[in-house]
Amino acid sequence: NAGVTQTPKFQVLKTGQSMTLQCAQDMNHEYMSWYRQDPGMGLRLIHYSVGAGITDQGEVPNGYNVSRSTTEDFPLRLLSAAPSQTSVYFCACSYEGAGGETQYFGPGTRLLVL
Amino acid sequence: GQQVMQIPQYQHVQEGEDFTTYCNSSTTLSNIQWYKQRPGGHPVFLIQLVKSGEVKKQKRLTFQFGEAKKNSSLHITATQTTDVGTYFCAGGIGGGSEKLVFGKGMKLTVNP
Repeated sequence: NAGVTQTPKFQVLKTGQSMTLQCAQDMNHEYMSWYRQDPGMGLRLIHYSVGAGITDQGEVPNGYNVSRSTTEDFPLRLLSAAPSQTSVYFCACSYEGAGGETQYFGPGTRLLVL
Repeated sequence: GQQVMQIPQYQHVQEGEDFTTYCNSSTTLSNIQWYKQRPGGHPVFLIQLVKSGEVKKQKRLTFQFGEAKKNSSLHITATQTTDVGTYFCAGGIGGGSEKLVFGKGMKLTVNP
């Protein structure tokens, strides 16, 4: 039981490049979410999903796309990377809605955009 | 939008000291959760409080949820070097409790 896994662990991009951050969970949790963490800013919600086929925007969705074709996977796509997207990205899952349930976080992806 | 404020943002204590950190929301929360993040790590769930006025203890950590469900506190007694890290509170918002709003965190350092 791996819990929540994220790949890659580190990534360097050039401005304008696109990439996908992978997130997978084997806990059979319905709810998954993506956060970014910047120094002094805490964790800010990017997108979330309450189940396969359903996604919604969080606090800072611009520049990111998500899809949820299966319960297990919730990839985050950067369409055209910008230096402002340099951050640490965490994926999380919970049995039900995040607001009422323990969030299980993945180890994070550290992204640098040059 | 909804905000969850944590004070202080930084706390430096001598090993063995007690201290309290606070979390305040502009709106009523369905529940409050506390997480701890070690340097270079990911947030790890500590506890969830749901009821008005609820108090829970985990060894040297005491968590409290305010009567109005808009604020919370974390009290640590006899701080140890293993307590080092950043502590986040997060509030559940919305009727469906689909979102968590995180505070900016309280970074704790301990002088041995």
